[in-house]
Amino acid sequence: GAVVSQHPSWVICKSGTSVKIECRSLDFQATTMFWYRQFPKQSLMLMATSNEGSKATYEQGVEKDKFLINHASLTLSTLTVTSAHPEDSSFYICSARNSQNTEAFFGQGTRLTVV
Amino acid sequence: AQSVTQLGSHVSVSEGALVLLRCNYSSSVPPYLFWYVQYPNQGLQLLLKYTTGATLVKGINGFEAEFKKSETSFHLTKPSAHMSDAAEYFCAVSDASNTGKLIFGQGTTLQVKP
Repeated sequence: GAVVSQHPSWVICKSGTSVKIECRSLDFQATTMFWYRQFPKQSLMLMATSNEGSKATYEQGVEKDKFLINHASLTLSTLTVTSAHPEDSSFYICSARNSQNTEAFFGQGTRLTVV
Repeated sequence: AQSVTQLGSHVSVSEGALVLLRCNYSSSVPPYLFWYVQYPNQGLQLLLKYTTGATLVKGINGFEAEFKKSETSFHLTKPSAHMSDAAEYFCAVSDASNTGKLIFGQGTTLQVKP
């Protein structure tokens, strides 16, 4: 149980285009989802927290208009990188939890390369 | 504020030797602590966690960690390293409200030499 699936696992896009990444909880209802970003050889930095049916809460320094997060259902959250630039190239990882868990479960990550 | 410090960005051991990865934390509330492993281009896999109760926590793949409140530490150990243990390891502490939000350490790369 407690499986979180991210799609796509990797994506290459042209500079200026938008990319959508999906995070799904397959066998539980995720009341809260988290989006992290990881640069090469670095740790994970939280970008935002999303609760089902409400607006995401962004961490300081994260542009909410650039990184659009939607959590419209209890099993799906999406991160859209708008007008992507090469500096947005990174590994994006989501995690999800429900109210009964003491931990959040991670997706497998999405490698974004902007060319 | 919650924070995590992993001492040593790179640890190298011989196959069969003891693995010790160090983690110290700072927390304004009784912490929930986690160790994750990450293989290249993959997500995070939970090795073990401490929430309450027994301070010695056993996890998967022979790993264990001990919560020491007096030392604010949660070091990860494994008695005998295997080649497949080579990976990146992250220690994390939950935020003060235990919402599931995690604050990660910088990570430690474990190299296992034959």
